[in-house]
Amino acid sequence: AQSVSQHNHHVILSEAASLELGCNYSYGGTVNLFWYVQYPGQHLQLLLKYFSGDPLVKGIKGFEAEFIKSKFSFNLRKPSVQWSDTAEYFCAVNAQVNMLTFGGGTRLMVKP
Amino acid sequence: SQTIHQWPATLVQPVGSPLSLECTVEGTSNPNLYWYRQAAGRGLQLLFYSVGIGQISSEVPQNLSASRPQDRQFILSSKKLLLSDSGFYLCAWSPGQMDGYTFGSGTRLTVV
Repeated sequence: AQSVSQHNHHVILSEAASLELGCNYSYGGTVNLFWYVQYPGQHLQLLLKYFSGDPLVKGIKGFEAEFIKSKFSFNLRKPSVQWSDTAEYFCAVNAQVNMLTFGGGTRLMVKP
Repeated sequence: SQTIHQWPATLVQPVGSPLSLECTVEGTSNPNLYWYRQAAGRGLQLLFYSVGIGQISSEVPQNLSASRPQDRQFILSSKKLLLSDSGFYLCAWSPGQMDGYTFGSGTRLTVV
């Protein structure tokens, strides 16, 4: 069965710091990869996704993620975070039909 | 455009009482529909998915059941709630089996 690991459960950064959230998955075949964000009090929103092509994908609000197939990773990055980026971030992998598997989430707090 | 509606937003129910959470999708036909439960620090757990009317697949054996009486309606039910059923329940839809999902705003269920 596929699984998704997000090793950082809580991250605290100051504004303007750079962000990288790790995501690793266990599945050897073709995968579709996603990052979702959940702002306080709001529903889950799609941040970015990778299906094929350029392994560096750009999403909304200045976020990007890089798919490294050899490392089974899809890390999320942002060069300079803002207080408004405070949220919970979920990595998700769709490797089997009708099975979008989520990581445990990373809570990001950005201090003003 | 497609929209997904989920209600109620919050629910407090006594142990042993029945449950019915409803989810509807507008602006699309024959969507794939999903019920997830979100627990703090544990990400999202897929409970049920449906690829068509009357077609339900369960991923985790438990006290809950799901039904799809109409193409764009997905219902999560229980005959007798347990304390352990408390949680945040999310409905989602996708156009295809390997696509990203769009989530509803969720239902916070507290069983007392």
